[in-house]
This record gives sequence, C-alpha cells and structure tokens, in this order.
Amino acid sequence: DAKTTQPNSMESNEEEPVHLPCNHSTISGTDYIHWYRQLPSQGPEYVIHGLTSNVNNRMASLAIAEDRKSSTLILHRATLRDAAVYYCIDATGNQFYFGTGTSLTVIP
Amino acid sequence: KAGVTQTPRYLIKTRGQQVTLSCSPISGHRSVSWYQQTPGQGLQFLFEYFSETQRNKGNFPGRFSGRQFSNSRSEMNVSTLELGDSALYLCASSLREAGELFFGEGSRLTVL
Repeated sequence: DAKTTQPNSMESNEEEPVHLPCNHSTISGTDYIHWYRQLPSQGPEYVIHGLTSNVNNRMASLAIAEDRKSSTLILHRATLRDAAVYYCIDATGNQFYFGTGTSLTVIP
Repeated sequence: KAGVTQTPRYLIKTRGQQVTLSCSPISGHRSVSWYQQTPGQGLQFLFEYFSETQRNKGNFPGRFSGRQFSNSRSEMNVSTLELGDSALYLCASSLREAGELFFGEGSRLTVL
C-alpha cells in the first residue's frame, strides 16, 4: 500500500548536512507530503510536512519538486541523535501509508 | 500537555485468543489512527476514526476491528489471534486532516 520509494539506508558524517530523497510517483494534487522519523524503541515522530512550497522548521527543511514527484528532507547538521529510520508519506486525508523508510547512520 | 497514551505496553497471548488495546489521544484531538509494525512489513495502516466513525480502513482481515468513544479514546480488537499478529501496535492522534500525527509508544503484542 505504500506509495513512496526511498533508499533503504544512508550514511552521514556528524555535523554535515544530510539530504534524504523520496519519490512520490503516484501523488495526487491534494496529498500532503509528510516526513516522520523513528528512533529505536520509540513510536514515529513528526519531522515536517508540506503541500507544494518548500518548508522549514527547527528540525529540518523540506524541498518539494515542482511536479511534486519527489521531495528531499534536509537535515542541516547531522547529530548522533538524528540516527533513525526516516519515512516519507503521501497523506491522503487521514490515511498515512508508510513505506519501509531510510535507515540513517550518523558517523562520529 | 499529555501525549498519546497506549495500554497495555506489553502483552503475551496464545493463538486463538483475542486482545483489546487502548489508546487515549491528546486532549482535543478527534482523529485516532492505528498502525501495525512488524520487522517484515514495516508500518502498516490499520484504520482511522474520527468522531466515533471509522473513516478509513487499511488492508487487514475482519479479525481486526476498532471503535472510538465519545471522549475520542479508541480501542482496537484482534480476535482469533495468529502467530503473525505478533507486532508493535501504534496509535496516533491528530488535530487536523492530513495534519501532524502524534504517536504513542505502542503496545507490543506477542502471540505464542
């Protein structure tokens, strides 16, 4: 049921920027793009979401392609606490279909 | 502000039994959704309730059911448990449609 595709895993050095990609090949015009992350032994945690425009918050930035078929989550300076599985989601109403996510490893 | 509370946190059942899990959303949140997380299938959407009505349902058999009460608290029930039902069951609440989901810590079910 997942409608997005992401790389299985990525690595980043600590204090460097990280760009996590996502493909939204079947996204509709009214679907919001959400990103969540899940730390070990915890429930998923909201990161950011948007519809068409790029979005920034204290955790990250979200860059959305003009055709909305892809998005990129940007962590400006990775820390060890950012090591988690990151999920991108096309949210249709209140139906959120999570894919398998990208496991981010942060190297000290 | 209290977060999403799920009970019980851990439980063990045997095949054929049934189980009921509870979720208390953040105060003021009227939408509650449920997810099943397993190592093989990842996070899968079960169903979503809003104002006591099931609005959306994922691709799960009828053994999985739920309900929501007038105070927005929700329960999910799994009948005739199978080994494959062993999973972390997560509940999330939200204030707005397609808005931020707030997750609980989950109920870990083991079926023996």
